[in-house]
Amino acid sequence: QQQVKQSPQSLIVQKGGISIINCAYENTAFDYFPWYQQFPGKGPALLIAIRPDVSEKKEGRFTISFNKSAKQFSLHIMDSQPGDSATYFCAASRRMSNTGKLIFGQGTTLQVKP
Amino acid sequence: GAVVSQHPSWVICKSGTSVKIECRSLDFQATTMFWYRQFPKQSLMLMATSNEGSKATYEQGVEKDKFLINHASLTLSTLTVTSAHPEDSSFYICSAREDGDQPQHFGDGTRLSIL
Repeated sequence: QQQVKQSPQSLIVQKGGISIINCAYENTAFDYFPWYQQFPGKGPALLIAIRPDVSEKKEGRFTISFNKSAKQFSLHIMDSQPGDSATYFCAASRRMSNTGKLIFGQGTTLQVKP
Repeated sequence: GAVVSQHPSWVICKSGTSVKIECRSLDFQATTMFWYRQFPKQSLMLMATSNEGSKATYEQGVEKDKFLINHASLTLSTLTVTSAHPEDSSFYICSAREDGDQPQHFGDGTRLSIL
């Protein structure tokens, strides 16, 4: 029940296209859903995050869509650029819990071809 | 804002030695810090959670005597890998959180290679 399942494992998109990564969770107590971007040899960087009281959040070219009833959320990268090529991780947590542990998805390696 | 600095970025040492990795929150006070381990092409595996001034809480299967964690101040946590062996070689990443309503911010990781 603690798992977060992420798909696809890898994704190749042409420059200018839309990249879509999906995640699903089981624990309905989760109330915080961030996405992290990681470049090789670096730590993850927070990209965008959503709380379950909204169904969509947009920041620039990045949009999170959240479906509470289906327990699913997704990251959309519009107008994908070669510089977006990285590994993306979704995660979930209970914000106000004692630990605030993040449960990470398995990761998606995105390659944007010029 | 919200910068987490990790040092060193890369360390190579001989089997049997102990290695200390530092994690600092530069522009905020971190109530909670987390230590992760990441193998190539895999996700982040949480090793332990530490709150300032308290003993760390280790995840199941992580040897607390092997991976010593100290969180002595609101801006510094250290991970010491004791008597390191080649199987301990990995990418270790820390993160820090100011309080329950703030996100985790990650350091740039430490590549540990044990010969």
